[in-house]
Amino acid sequence: DAKTTQPTSMDCAEGRAANLPCNHSTISGNEYVYWYRQIHSQGPQYIIHGLKNNETNEMASLIITEDRKSSTLILPHATLRDTAVYYCIVRAGAGGTSYGKLTFGQGTILTVHP
Amino acid sequence: GAGVSQSPSNKVTEKGKDVELRCDPISGHTALYWYRQSLGQGLEFLIYFQGNSAPDKSGLPSDRFSAERTGGSVSTLTIQRTQQEDSAVYLCASSLDTLAGDLHEQYFGPGTRLTVT
Repeated sequence: DAKTTQPTSMDCAEGRAANLPCNHSTISGNEYVYWYRQIHSQGPQYIIHGLKNNETNEMASLIITEDRKSSTLILPHATLRDTAVYYCIVRAGAGGTSYGKLTFGQGTILTVHP
Repeated sequence: GAGVSQSPSNKVTEKGKDVELRCDPISGHTALYWYRQSLGQGLEFLIYFQGNSAPDKSGLPSDRFSAERTGGSVSTLTIQRTQQEDSAVYLCASSLDTLAGDLHEQYFGPGTRLTVT
């Protein structure tokens, strides 16, 4: 799987947008970008994923650069409950040698403060 | 609806004993994954089931670790002759992923915290 690089930690004020960057410069054509988060003492929670196009759902938006070498997760109006570790994961599609499984890095600790 | 459940939530065992951890996936999910999370290693993949077979066992750390899935539903992860380095939170996830290339989100259970003394 392609390796991802994320900042170790970030801060965000409540009500503001949180923009979490991720570099995945070795991503290949059939690999997807997935984002999960883990709130303390809970299992990871799916947020969003994409292949080439930008994506939006009720939780967040995902912006993928045209060359696919980096992406940004955007939480439009962060709340205190968004404080968590955010993982950017490159996941192999069909035919990939590590198809299906999620390979977690160290993630970004996002702290939302009042 | 019911999510992924795991039992027990906590397990303390003595070094050298065997333990069994159970995962009940979301009904209808054919794919099931085991991961573990420890302080030193972060979150790491262990094994992937599609139905009752395991096409990817590459993450099992040693032959003391085994897993099975029966009836395409419940899965059990067994650790034999536990060691202190096995102490971790063991997480199970299920999804509608198929081998044909249809990927979906994985839903995680709350985990089993294993402590080996």
